[in-house]
Amino acid sequence: TQLLEQSPQFLSIQEGENLTVYCNSSSVFSSLQWYRQEPGEGPVLLVTVVTGGEVKKLKRLTFQFGDARKDSSLHITAAQPGDTGLYLCVRTTDSWGKLQFGAGTQVVVTP
Amino acid sequence: ETGVTQTPRHLVMGMTNKKSLKCEQHLGHNAMYWYKQSAKKPLELMFVYNFKEQTENNSVPSRFSPECPNSSHLFLHLHTLQPEDSALYLCASSQDRETDTQYFGPGTRLTVL
Repeated sequence: TQLLEQSPQFLSIQEGENLTVYCNSSSVFSSLQWYRQEPGEGPVLLVTVVTGGEVKKLKRLTFQFGDARKDSSLHITAAQPGDTGLYLCVRTTDSWGKLQFGAGTQVVVTP
Repeated sequence: ETGVTQTPRHLVMGMTNKKSLKCEQHLGHNAMYWYKQSAKKPLELMFVYNFKEQTENNSVPSRFSPECPNSSHLFLHLHTLQPEDSALYLCASSQDRETDTQYFGPGTRLTVL
């Protein structure tokens, strides 16, 4: 099984600080998604990246897909308490309807 | 209601009990999924239904029994569970099985005593 490795597992920062979380795999992603799961809720899709080297921005969130399509990063600028949640890296597989999830990075932003 | 709803949100059951989890999607989707989320582990896909037909059973023990009476409803029947089955059970839906974007419900937090 090709694993998705997310790092760090846990990150606690103060409001206003920046943070970056990473997702890595030994195999090439056909496409990659980032989801955020807030406490007591299910995961919500933030972005899908498809092209190597692609950069997408969603307000204060910047998503980057590695040139070789084996890694991705999520950078949050000036984090706010509302950014608290579990950030999940997800790759699509060759099997329809099957997504492979990483274990996630738990981010806590304190006021 | 909109999106994907799940009931109950919390469930505590003994190992000899029988209970059911319910999922309903109001998005007009044709594919529905059950996932298990345990602490610090990746989401595990359990079952996939496409147009009410089960297309995936990811080696799930028979004490978990899914039912999909129509494209909007999905059930997970539980019986003689083990304490290690305690987890958050998430339901999701997508337009169809080929669509990668899945919409998740809030989950049912299950505790097996």
